[in-house]
Amino acid sequence: GESVGLHLPTLSVQEGDNSIINCAYSNSASDYFIWYKQESGKGPQFIIDIRSNMDKRQGQRVTVLLNKTVKHLSLQIAATQPGDSAVYFCAEIHTGNQFYFGTGTSLTVIP
Amino acid sequence: ETGVTQSPTHLIKTRGQQVTLRCSSQSGHNTVSWYQQALGQGPQFIFQYYREEENGRGNFPPRFSGLQFPNYSSELNVNALELDDSALYLCASSLPDTDTQYFGPGTRLTVL
Repeated sequence: GESVGLHLPTLSVQEGDNSIINCAYSNSASDYFIWYKQESGKGPQFIIDIRSNMDKRQGQRVTVLLNKTVKHLSLQIAATQPGDSAVYFCAEIHTGNQFYFGTGTSLTVIP
Repeated sequence: ETGVTQSPTHLIKTRGQQVTLRCSSQSGHNTVSWYQQALGQGPQFIFQYYREEENGRGNFPPRFSGLQFPNYSSELNVNALELDDSALYLCASSLPDTDTQYFGPGTRLTVL
């Protein structure tokens, strides 16, 4: 069966440092991945996505890397800010537009 | 803001009761999905509706059912509530021919 998992359940970083959040997936047929940010009491918020025909995609302060060989996904946040504190989920999208989420990584930014 | 709204924000029910949760998507978003998020867990896919028809279902029993309406609103119905149904219920919608889903704020359901 498929699974989407995260390597670390919690991550603490100093304000201004870069953050890296990792995610492993098991379904090699998945062709689309999204990172979501979820703040307390809110629904998941889209951050960045990547398709399986890409290795890297950059957004504003965020970069997603996809390594299909080892089925690994990472989210890099540059110059982490207190507002980045949240739980981050990677989602693996299967045929039929069904999303499978990992457990999440809680990011805490220390001022 | 994603333009996806859900109601109510919070809800308390007792075991065995039935509940209806509502979601309103952005205009043009013809696909809506519902998720259950237990505390400390990632969202779990319940089902998806496309053009008012169920278009995929996760590992949830038949007492979880849904409806999608022509005005881009939808409902999640849960019958015979169990204590383990206590969770945050999220709906997410997407535009035609796109995969990105935009989530609402969720409804927090507590079953006593």
